Amino acid sequence: DIQMTQSPSSLSASVGDRVTITCQASQDITNYLNWYQQKPGKAPKLLISVASNLETGVPSRFSGSGSGTDFTFTISSLQPEDIGTFYCQQYDVLPYTFGQGTKLEIK
Amino acid sequence: QVHLQESGPGLVKPSETLSLTCFVSGDSISSSYWSWIRQPAGKGLEWIGRIDSDGNTYYNPSLKSRVTMSVDTSKNQFSLNLRFVTAADTAVYYCARDSIKPVLGTLDYWGQGSLVTVSS
Repeated sequence: DIQMTQSPSSLSASVGDRVTITCQASQDITNYLNWYQQKPGKAPKLLISVASNLETGVPSRFSGSGSGTDFTFTISSLQPEDIGTFYCQQYDVLPYTFGQGTKLEIK
Repeated sequence: QVHLQESGPGLVKPSETLSLTCFVSGDSISSSYWSWIRQPAGKGLEWIGRIDSDGNTYYNPSLKSRVTMSVDTSKNQFSLNLRFVTAADTAVYYCARDSIKPVLGTLDYWGQGSLVTVSS
């Protein structure tokens, strides 16, 4: 299986801060990577597909980049409603695998 | 708007079979693939497998020996069976649409999740 390693595992930032999460794949996955946000007690929500494609209705402060093995997810200006846990997911090779998650809190 | 809803028992005894059904509304089950994902309390996401409307399946090798998925196109729903469960199978189970757009592998709509506890 392809291993997905996210960093950091947790993060505390202030409203208005720029936040960056990285995801590294154990092998080249081209750009077959999605990002999800999960709020407590809720199902994950798709934010970004194909590494950088922002889903309809998702605020433009969210963005994704990268290809190959190294990917980045960025929130340009953190808002209070952005708290939750963020996961990357690869779908280049079956089985799909997820990163271990990054828990984001507001300072 | 696509909506998925899981249903099934919330409590299963060890060594028995966990059975869940996901009902799909707002989309035809023939339009895409459909996945199951689980999440133990406080832990990350594990993809269990997927099925299409023809009944073609792919199961995660970690669970393959115990998993069966099926689809009922007449009812627009699909199901998960996990046999010989143990406490380690206690988790929230999600169903999701495995979209072919832009590329198969994007889980774009999720059910709310169904907590299944394995306990005697």
